[in-house]
Amino acid sequence: QVQLVQSGPEVKKPGASVKVSCKASGYSFNDHYIHWVRQAPGQGLEWMGWINPSSGGTNYAQKFRGRVTMTSDTSISTAYMELSSLRSDDTAVYFCARDGSEYLFLYMDVWDKGTTVTVSS
Amino acid sequence: EIVLTQSPAILSLSPGERATLSCRASQSISSYLAWYQQKPGQAPRLLIYAASNRATGIPARFSGSGSGTDFTLTISSLEPEDFAVYYCQQRANWPPLTFGGGTKVEIK
Repeated sequence: QVQLVQSGPEVKKPGASVKVSCKASGYSFNDHYIHWVRQAPGQGLEWMGWINPSSGGTNYAQKFRGRVTMTSDTSISTAYMELSSLRSDDTAVYFCARDGSEYLFLYMDVWDKGTTVTVSS
Repeated sequence: EIVLTQSPAILSLSPGERATLSCRASQSISSYLAWYQQKPGQAPRLLIYAASNRATGIPARFSGSGSGTDFTLTISSLEPEDFAVYYCQQRANWPPLTFGGGTKVEIK
């Protein structure tokens, strides 16, 4: 079945970087963009950007430009999201989600359960 | 950036009742709106896309309507598993894609 599986929880100090992975299975990884969305504790959903796995093209929310890097490795059907210069307000659950179409649908039809990133000194 | 405002913040209803959730956009977004359901500790699940189209496997008791700036998600008869938080999301004007603040449907 179609599935995304993310890496495990992370604890980082302020100023550090974190890299979260998202491994896809059950479909053609190259054919669907991958979005990254985060959710701070008790808060709503915040879109961070997307990556086109086959071309490596990206589009980031302005808020994260300069701090976020999204990459992909098609040989292992895995997408990555790296966030640098971490602050305490980056503490959140980070989700990867599949775009719902091969043509950049911009709705997200498959999600993993998320990776908790805690930023604390 | 398009702001989505959801109301009410909390909706207290009993199983079997009808739920009506609202999402209002700060400017017209045509029909470029989706609805997601999120249960505690879980990822969001896509329910409705393009304002009124049910996603694969979503029960018929979920329906979406609206266009322009005003949208509604209706659950015709609440099942126990429907008590959750619901988010709307727009894709009309991006980046960024934006989400509403959510409506929690709780058991009365």
